[in-house]
Amino acid sequence: DAKTTQPNSMESNEEEPVHLPCNHSTISGTDYIHWYRQLPSQGPEYVIHGLTSNVNNRMASLAIAEDRKSSTLILHRATLRDAAVYYCILSRGGATNKLIFGTGTLLAVQP
Amino acid sequence: GAVVSQHPSWVICKSGTSVKIECRSLDFQATTMFWYRQFPKQSLMLMATSNEGSKATYEQGVEKDKFLINHASLTLSTLTVTSAHPEDSSFYICSAISQDTEAFFGQGTRLTVV
Repeated sequence: DAKTTQPNSMESNEEEPVHLPCNHSTISGTDYIHWYRQLPSQGPEYVIHGLTSNVNNRMASLAIAEDRKSSTLILHRATLRDAAVYYCILSRGGATNKLIFGTGTLLAVQP
Repeated sequence: GAVVSQHPSWVICKSGTSVKIECRSLDFQATTMFWYRQFPKQSLMLMATSNEGSKATYEQGVEKDKFLINHASLTLSTLTVTSAHPEDSSFYICSAISQDTEAFFGQGTRLTVV
């Protein structure tokens, strides 16, 4: 499985946008880019996923570089409830293949 | 989104006993379920992939005789930790997927072996 690289931690202020980067330089043509987040003592929660084009949903936006070697998860207005570990994961062969979690980015949101 | 429920949420057991954890997809039929383990301050580690009606596929290094997985229906998978020891204490998480959906995760089960 292709590997992703994320910063260990980031900080944001409440109600400001947050850009969480992810590098995946060895991504293959069939790899989907998934983002999940995990709040303390809970199971992960789906955030967004994409293949080539940028994606928007009610939770976030996903900006995918033209060469697909990096992507950015955008939270438009961070809230305290967005404090979590955010995982960027590549899944080979389709949108529903098994997910191998890396170390993720711990996002702290300051009031 | 779809709901995946795990039971129990937490369990304490004595060393040497077995513990069963259930994972149910409440409002959809899950073609595949996954089991993960997570130690404190670490990421999730995939243990096995389970398809309904067939044997689970275990990740390298995961003992299939110790972590028994049964996936008898499209809405239920169980993980049994046999002869549990303190080093098996962990947060166990399941996820379920259906055709063309993202993965939905359970809330996790915290196992403490004393």
